[in-house]
Amino acid sequence: EAQVTQNPRYLITVTGKKLTVTCSQNMNHEYMSWYRQDPGLGLRQIYYSMNVEVTDKGDVPEGYKVSRKEKRNFPLILESPSPNQTSLYFCASSFSGGKIYEQFFGPGTRLTVL
Amino acid sequence: LAKTTQPISMDSYEGQEVNITCSHNNIATNDYITWYQQFPSQGPRFIIQGYKTKVTNEVASLFIPADRKSSTLSLPRVSLSDTAVYYCLVGDGGWNSGGYQKVTFGTGTKLQVIP
Repeated sequence: EAQVTQNPRYLITVTGKKLTVTCSQNMNHEYMSWYRQDPGLGLRQIYYSMNVEVTDKGDVPEGYKVSRKEKRNFPLILESPSPNQTSLYFCASSFSGGKIYEQFFGPGTRLTVL
Repeated sequence: LAKTTQPISMDSYEGQEVNITCSHNNIATNDYITWYQQFPSQGPRFIIQGYKTKVTNEVASLFIPADRKSSTLSLPRVSLSDTAVYYCLVGDGGWNSGGYQKVTFGTGTKLQVIP
């Protein structure tokens, strides 16, 4: 089954404790992206990746890191989480280039930083 | 990417046709218009995409006037399960931007279907 998976689905942590949220897709997509969703603010893009070893900042990259060492994986790293990073996070993937893309989203990761 | 403007919320009764309009005055020649649907606590799901005139699939229709400065998503005979947030996006997927694929979803339109 074609899908985007995220782990963990739920996470409660404390300020300053490094964490990684994993994202994996099995559709051989070049493009992957991370979003956060907060009430009243819609979906905001954090980082995106056009292909392996190619990443760039979205609208809200502060406090986050990403890496793209393999085509299928795009982990989101919070090196020193803070309470303002409490949010619902989505990973997405799509083919790249050509006309605009259909993005496939993962189930989401609900993160709480105390 | 072109900025989009949508109504914040809409209510509709079951069985009615719902039209959600998106304004995108600065749309570029190579931009496509894409709509996503999102249920609470789920990731958005692609609904429909178009460039001009009318596009129809099994879920919705998309109407785009000749000047392309707006678009209308039409949902025929909505049911309670259509209650969701609907997002309009405009862009060219990076094809004419050197591979630039920054995406802006905005806040969307919250559709509430009433029994």
